[in-house]
Amino acid sequence: DAGVTQSPTHLIKTRGQQVTLRCSPKSGHDTVSWYQQALGQGPQFIFQYYEEEERQRGNFPDRFSGHQFPNYSSELNVNALLLGDSALYLCASHLTVASKAFFGQGTRLTVV
Amino acid sequence: AQSVSQHNHHVILSEAASLELGCNYSYGGTVNLFWYVQYPGQHLQLLLKYFSGDPLVKGIKGFEAEFIKSKFSFNLRKPSVQWSDTAEYFCAVKFSSNTGKLIFGQGTTLQVKP
Repeated sequence: DAGVTQSPTHLIKTRGQQVTLRCSPKSGHDTVSWYQQALGQGPQFIFQYYEEEERQRGNFPDRFSGHQFPNYSSELNVNALLLGDSALYLCASHLTVASKAFFGQGTRLTVV
Repeated sequence: AQSVSQHNHHVILSEAASLELGCNYSYGGTVNLFWYVQYPGQHLQLLLKYFSGDPLVKGIKGFEAEFIKSKFSFNLRKPSVQWSDTAEYFCAVKFSSNTGKLIFGQGTTLQVKP
């Protein structure tokens, strides 16, 4: 058990729709990072949240946005879905901003 | 640009064979290095990590990795693989000490034949 929980596990959306993915970090962790893992590729960093603010961002368009709540849980929102957004979305939590990442099992998003 | 490359995309071995997976990164400064494993249907798990000190790092399940700074490499090794090692392996690098951002390689799929 990784301790990082993500929901839902699978999701199918239509092109143009919006989606929200959720992540609860490991107990005691206050920092959350999100990654996109396309089929056959390594995970790519989307952004990191700490103290309810986006602290660092990868090379993703503004359609990708996030939020962190006071209880440290986090959401990833993607607007105007494209077929290319189909991927496994991974959440990782950290004890502190720069410490080791613990990954959840991911949400498999399919855009049709 | 910061990048990580894994040379082997798909490796097939018989049980008891030795394993070496290559990983190179692009940056010459201080880095933190990681190998993660993803078993089918499971989450990414940390195999081992290198921050500083002895460049030969031992991890879980009999895996080890060697950091060679002059070659910007962090290759993963196991002397004798088992069928249960069948999984996807990712090398990852943290290029800055004040961030949790990881740059991953594209992964290597290891298939071990019983």
